[in-house]
Amino acid sequence: AQSVTQPDIHITVSEGASLELRCNYSYGATPYLFWYVQSPGQGLQLLLKYFSGDTLVQGIKGFEAEFKRSQSSFNLRKPSVHWSDAAEYFCAVGERYNNNDMRFGAGTRLTVKP
Amino acid sequence: DTAVSQTPKYLVTQMGNDKSIKCEQNLGHDTMYWYKQDSKKFLKIMFSYNNKELIINETVPNRFSPKSPDKAHLNLHINSLELGDSAVYFCASSQDRFGYTFGSGTRLTVV
Repeated sequence: AQSVTQPDIHITVSEGASLELRCNYSYGATPYLFWYVQSPGQGLQLLLKYFSGDTLVQGIKGFEAEFKRSQSSFNLRKPSVHWSDAAEYFCAVGERYNNNDMRFGAGTRLTVKP
Repeated sequence: DTAVSQTPKYLVTQMGNDKSIKCEQNLGHDTMYWYKQDSKKFLKIMFSYNNKELIINETVPNRFSPKSPDKAHLNLHINSLELGDSAVYFCASSQDRFGYTFGSGTRLTVV
């Protein structure tokens, strides 16, 4: 079965600084990959997804992620972080032929310093 | 209009009670899910229903039972609640491979 690892439990960045959140997956074939964001007390919102094609995908709120097959990674990036980006971020991997079994990473909590 | 709505948002109950959480989606999605998020934010799938058929059950105690009266609803019933059941429960739905749409969660506290 597929699995996903987010190595960083908590990251703190200054407002305006760039951000990269790491995600590594384990899957025998090319997976479906997702990034979700969870603001405090809220549900999860889909930021972006990768299925195939261009390995650099653009999402909402100025986020992007790059799929690197050789590194089994799907890192999330943002060039300039805003205070409103403080939240919990989850990477998820789904099987290519069965999206009914999606696995989530443990999440990375982002704190933004003024 | 809320795409995936779940009620109640908060639920405080005593050990041993039976409770239900309701979920409804108006997206026309084929599959619905229940996830449990523990105090460390870890998300674990509990159930999924596809066209009223259970297709995943991840070693969840049989005190938990999903009930789907139709494609738009997936309710979660919990018998004999235990302290360890305290968590946030999320309902979600999906259509094919396009990712999940989540509800806003139900925070269950068992005292």
